[in-house]
Amino acid sequence: GAVVSQHPSRVICKSGTSVKIECRSLDFQATTMFWYRQFPKQSLMLMATSNEGSKATYEQGVEKDKFLINHASLTLSTLTVTSAHPEDSSFYICSARAQFPNTGELFFGEGSRLTVL
Amino acid sequence: GENVEQHPSTLSVQEGDSAVIKCTYSDSASNYFPWYKQELGKRPQLIIDIRSNVGEKKDQRIAVTLNKTAKHFSLHITETQPEDSAVYFCAASIWGNKLVFGAGTILRVKS
Repeated sequence: GAVVSQHPSRVICKSGTSVKIECRSLDFQATTMFWYRQFPKQSLMLMATSNEGSKATYEQGVEKDKFLINHASLTLSTLTVTSAHPEDSSFYICSARAQFPNTGELFFGEGSRLTVL
Repeated sequence: GENVEQHPSTLSVQEGDSAVIKCTYSDSASNYFPWYKQELGKRPQLIIDIRSNVGEKKDQRIAVTLNKTAKHFSLHITETQPEDSAVYFCAASIWGNKLVFGAGTILRVKS
């Protein structure tokens, strides 16, 4: 199956700093990538839809100025958590859907566990 | 927007028994329904999916049924094994669009 790589897998940062998470589709092109956040023992909550070459579409309640998304190429999307606070600590997972063949399946990255001290 | 509800939140079964997890969705336009298995600290893994043009799909011990009229779909796992223990999520979407997940079901298979 298609491979989505996410980096870093774990990151610890101080409150007030910014953290960038990368999501790459390794063997396929993805015009659309999705960013999810998962708190412990909870479901995956969609944060935003990242579209190559255009602005991301954010879900209601997600601050676009705090969670900056850039999708500069067909294989890379980045999520930057700006001015991170302890409540931003979570498991962030990206996912992508292959353009071809378009089976509808979403392929997930390994996830990035962010801990804000 | 789409809303997906999933039940039960936890399910304990004896090894060899069957497990059934049920989900309902709200948007009648949704036409793609995948099921994911997630182990602790890992990414969700697709185990089976179904599109709205079929009512049932089976893959070895796993099957999914879909009732479009009632807007619900179910995951059936037969002959459960300890390695089936994990969190299972249902999801729904309009083909090619964002996936909305259910709350998840913790499945424990006791040996």
